[in-house]
Amino acid sequence: DAKTTQPPSMDCAEGRAANLPCNHSTISGNEYVYWYRQIHSQGPQYIIHGLKNNETNEMASLIITEDRKSSTLILPHATLRDTAVYYCIVMGYQLIWGAGTKLIIKP
Amino acid sequence: AAGVIQSPRHLIKEKRETATLKCYPIPRHDTVYWYQQGPGQDPQFLISFYEKMQSDKGSIPDRFSAQQFSDYHSELNMSSLELGDSALYFCASRGRGSYEQYFGPGTRLTVT
Repeated sequence: DAKTTQPPSMDCAEGRAANLPCNHSTISGNEYVYWYRQIHSQGPQYIIHGLKNNETNEMASLIITEDRKSSTLILPHATLRDTAVYYCIVMGYQLIWGAGTKLIIKP
Repeated sequence: AAGVIQSPRHLIKEKRETATLKCYPIPRHDTVYWYQQGPGQDPQFLISFYEKMQSDKGSIPDRFSAQQFSDYHSELNMSSLELGDSALYFCASRGRGSYEQYFGPGTRLTVT
């Protein structure tokens, strides 16, 4: 069973920040939080991952709560090309995919 | 930069036939993962290999087998194909000491 819970869909206006929440209340101490996205039947694309500290790279920021039971992926300036299904995954040894959030960026 | 290569990109087979899917990881990546994604479904982990040895096993049917070769490429062999095997099959590779899995473009298998 998936270890994460995400809203099934979200909308965001182009140019605004997209904030995608994820609950992972059963995460254990050595499990990382990963985010991937999949643009219509293409191979999933790695975005970012973290253990307990907030992380930022050229694509996004990852904010993990202090108790590690939830996290938020932030796309700072969403573009139409960011429309995709975003997967939040808790990884011990393998990626177990949940249902993901379908993010639609609107002009 | 080189990416994960999968072949063929599309494959049409009939029920009870066999199929072989190939995956060529990014150079110097030593771990390969296979995933199955049915229509409208999320990716499901099938199996993984590290240094040519099976490292983990997910929901791979007994009709399927896979291996990783000395050049690190991997093949997924599927026998007695069923209609329900129609799906996208993704291969991903990971480098030593790295946390990210890099996915290939997938093979779309259609069983008729």
